[in-house]
Amino acid sequence: DVKVTQSSRYLVKRTGEKVFLECVQDMDHENMFWYRQDPGLGLRLIYFSYDVKMKEKGDIPEGYSVSREKKERFSLILESASTNQTSMYLCASPQTRTGSTEAFFGQGTRLTVV
Amino acid sequence: QKEVEQNSGPLSVPEGAIASLNCTYSDRGSQSFFWYRQYSGKSPELIMSIYSNGDKEDGRFTAQLNKASQYVSLLIRDSQPSDSATYLCAVEDFGNEKLTFGTGTRLTIIP
Repeated sequence: DVKVTQSSRYLVKRTGEKVFLECVQDMDHENMFWYRQDPGLGLRLIYFSYDVKMKEKGDIPEGYSVSREKKERFSLILESASTNQTSMYLCASPQTRTGSTEAFFGQGTRLTVV
Repeated sequence: QKEVEQNSGPLSVPEGAIASLNCTYSDRGSQSFFWYRQYSGKSPELIMSIYSNGDKEDGRFTAQLNKASQYVSLLIRDSQPSDSATYLCAVEDFGNEKLTFGTGTRLTIIP
């Protein structure tokens, strides 16, 4: 079974803290993505990585950075957490087989910044 | 920036009826289209993909694609209470597996 695991289900952090969200996939996929999901705004892409040490900005990268030191692990970093980063964060790893792509999601991390 | 638009709903449909969900996209060059289902408090899961104009059926689900009009739809026949969820339309960038999602339509099936 395909598996994408996020390190925390719920997190509460203080404004200004540096926050690390971890995601691990066991599928040997090249690509990994970080999205945030907010009511009325849907899923928005923050950053993605298509290989180890490779990263590209998504649609809303401001205030975030990422790290991919190993193929299976993709970390999202909030350099200085702010209340407007309170959100659900979803990691995804897509797989393309016989021309069809499916994105597998982690369980999500609900982050509250106070 | 590519856009994917959906009616946010909520959409209420009686049990046993057909639920119809619609999506439009801005990038005329898009090739791959997906419908994800997301139950409350859960992560999205893929239910349908479609790449060619026309209809694609899988059980009670039918995806429809019209590239000329830039819309994708999802029909759910014989709707069940277990179909109550948010349905997300997604469009893939050509060749790089990057998905742009719509805001989702919340569907409620009324017993």
